[in-house]
Amino acid sequence: RKEVEQDPGPFNVPEGATVAFNCTYSNSASQSFFWYRQDCRKEPKLLMSVYSSGNEDGRFTAQLNRASQYISLLIRDSKLSDSATYLCVVNRNYGQNFVFGPGTRLSVLP
Amino acid sequence: GAGVSQSPSNKVTEKGKDVELRCDPISGHTALYWYRQRLGQGLEFLIYFQGNSAPDKSGLPSDRFSAERTGESVSTLTIQRTQQEDSAVYLCASSFGTGKGNTQYFGPGTRLTVL
Repeated sequence: RKEVEQDPGPFNVPEGATVAFNCTYSNSASQSFFWYRQDCRKEPKLLMSVYSSGNEDGRFTAQLNRASQYISLLIRDSKLSDSATYLCVVNRNYGQNFVFGPGTRLSVLP
Repeated sequence: GAGVSQSPSNKVTEKGKDVELRCDPISGHTALYWYRQRLGQGLEFLIYFQGNSAPDKSGLPSDRFSAERTGESVSTLTIQRTQQEDSAVYLCASSFGTGKGNTQYFGPGTRLTVL
């Protein structure tokens, strides 16, 4: 089993839709959590950190459930420009430190 | 300020040749990471540096791959006797530290094609 797992996707949604991505992690010692986005043929870029109390940044809402070892990302009012692969990232304090999930691809359709 | 930079941006080489890929991290970032990403695939961890030391080399796929970091700054990833399966984008990232609250920032990558 991989340390970080995500919905395989792809998710194809119409503009304006709300879409949610799930991520689970197996290492209970994980300390920090992030969502990155990666556009086609580009490097990953930080979308948002995920805080214990949940956090929102405009149309994006991230939630963390430590008991269930589960992270989510909700995108409201999807835009064409949201089309990308969304990577769940977990930080632990040993080894490679940042562990990336395989990513979930989102296509927002006109 | 300047982000993570990598060079070259593209490298085409013949099978069996050696290649060197360079990464300049964000100034002051103590941790540096190398990843490989094959077309349509996820990120594959290769190696991580804390300062000039590499506590975790577990991702290096074979002894043809090596990396070093000097001056707690620039890092070089070397691939000897390249094979066609080495073709991928090699991404470098850096972070201020490695503990809770730190974030990785990526360079644009080097696209390696082995003919």
